[in-house]
Amino acid sequence: NAGVTQTPKFQVLKTGQSMTLQCAQDMNHNSMYWYRQDPGMGLRLIYYSASEGTTDKGEVPNGYNVSRLNKREFSLRLESAAPSQTSVYFCASSEARAGQMRNEQFFGPGTRLTVL
Amino acid sequence: GNSVTQMEGPVTLSEEAFLTINCTYTATGYPSLFWYVQYPGEGLQLLLKATKADDKGSNKGFEATYRKETTSFHLEKGSVQVSDSAVYFCALAPRGYSTLTFGKGTMLLVSP
Repeated sequence: NAGVTQTPKFQVLKTGQSMTLQCAQDMNHNSMYWYRQDPGMGLRLIYYSASEGTTDKGEVPNGYNVSRLNKREFSLRLESAAPSQTSVYFCASSEARAGQMRNEQFFGPGTRLTVL
Repeated sequence: GNSVTQMEGPVTLSEEAFLTINCTYTATGYPSLFWYVQYPGEGLQLLLKATKADDKGSNKGFEATYRKETTSFHLEKGSVQVSDSAVYFCALAPRGYSTLTFGKGTMLLVSP
């Protein structure tokens, strides 16, 4: 099993450009998550999806949109990139169902995004 | 609201030294508690967890005990190795939620 995969690994954008970060998991997990990691800030939740067909905002959703394409795939879109969105983005998945989080989250290797 | 506070790093130790990384939390009810580790250039991976008060999680020589009275979940290891150099994150999962709240992370640097 590949676990959680993310593409691309690195990306450089100019301010105002758009892009989509892709994430897929092969563990048949219900829940999927997008985080951003910034120095001194830890991980902050952008959006999550507790099940196929549902998405919810996390702590820092502004400037992002998500799509739960099917049970395996969860994409993150930046419609008009800004320098403040320079960060490392992590996707994760877990067996958690809505209202329950006892099991671990499995993380992808991350996408390093720079917005000039 | 829910929050996790970790000691600031970096924590610098010599090989075979004793490690403690402090973690305290604020949450309604009784959350599940986790420690994750991030090695350079990688994503996070679960190190250990505890789902109720007085539970002790352990893995790879690391331990942490869920202390409800002090709302703490401190990470300990008796003898660290150079290979333990990484960033360690404490996290909680509130009851009734399917998300995690992370602390800011503590970098550990172990020298030979």
